[in-house]
Amino acid sequence: DADVTQTPRNRITKTGKRIMLECSQTKGHDRMYWYRQDPGLGLRLIYYSFDVKDINKGEISDGYSVSRQAQAKFSLSLESAIPNQTALYFCATSDPRGKDEQYFGPGTRLTVT
Amino acid sequence: GEDVEQSLFLSVREGDSSVINCTYTDSSSTYLYWYKQEPGAGLQLLTYIFSNMDMKQDQRLTVLLNKKDKHLSLRIADTQTGDSAIYFCAVMNTGFQKLVFGTGTRLLVSP
Repeated sequence: DADVTQTPRNRITKTGKRIMLECSQTKGHDRMYWYRQDPGLGLRLIYYSFDVKDINKGEISDGYSVSRQAQAKFSLSLESAIPNQTALYFCATSDPRGKDEQYFGPGTRLTVT
Repeated sequence: GEDVEQSLFLSVREGDSSVINCTYTDSSSTYLYWYKQEPGAGLQLLTYIFSNMDMKQDQRLTVLLNKKDKHLSLRIADTQTGDSAIYFCAVMNTGFQKLVFGTGTRLLVSP
């Protein structure tokens, strides 16, 4: 089984709808992240959490919110989706000991029409 | 904040060497990484280098770090069609313990 899973894998939604993307991990890591990927822009950090009680904004948090329900779960919400939030969204986890490698989920492709 | 830049595309023939370049701005970065993204998948760590090293070799991969010029490169020897992917340079932000990613370089390997 995959260490970092994301649901749904694909989603098409309409402008103005609320949508939640979910991430679960079995790696036992405290640190979790949400990124979005756009062609030519690389990955940009939306929110990150270093433990269950710690939530921090990344570089592009406007229009998004997150919830860290447990060590293993970190969800991303779009309160009122807009077309320029169409992107590929990745969840990741990391362990700060050692080289702090990030482990990525398979991604959620979100289309807002 | 940290800025990490890469060229967007690289095309090589199978068997040639590929060199993917990256420049960054934060001279206090500790770890520098190369991640690989295959089609339809998330990113996976390919290799990394600690900032007190100049070079790291791992089988077909060679990472070179020039701290003075803030330049990182990834050389893939004997490039194969299976190496076709997007390669991301990433730099650890020492102040906030966050990774900053480059734009990604799409490597296309033709037979």
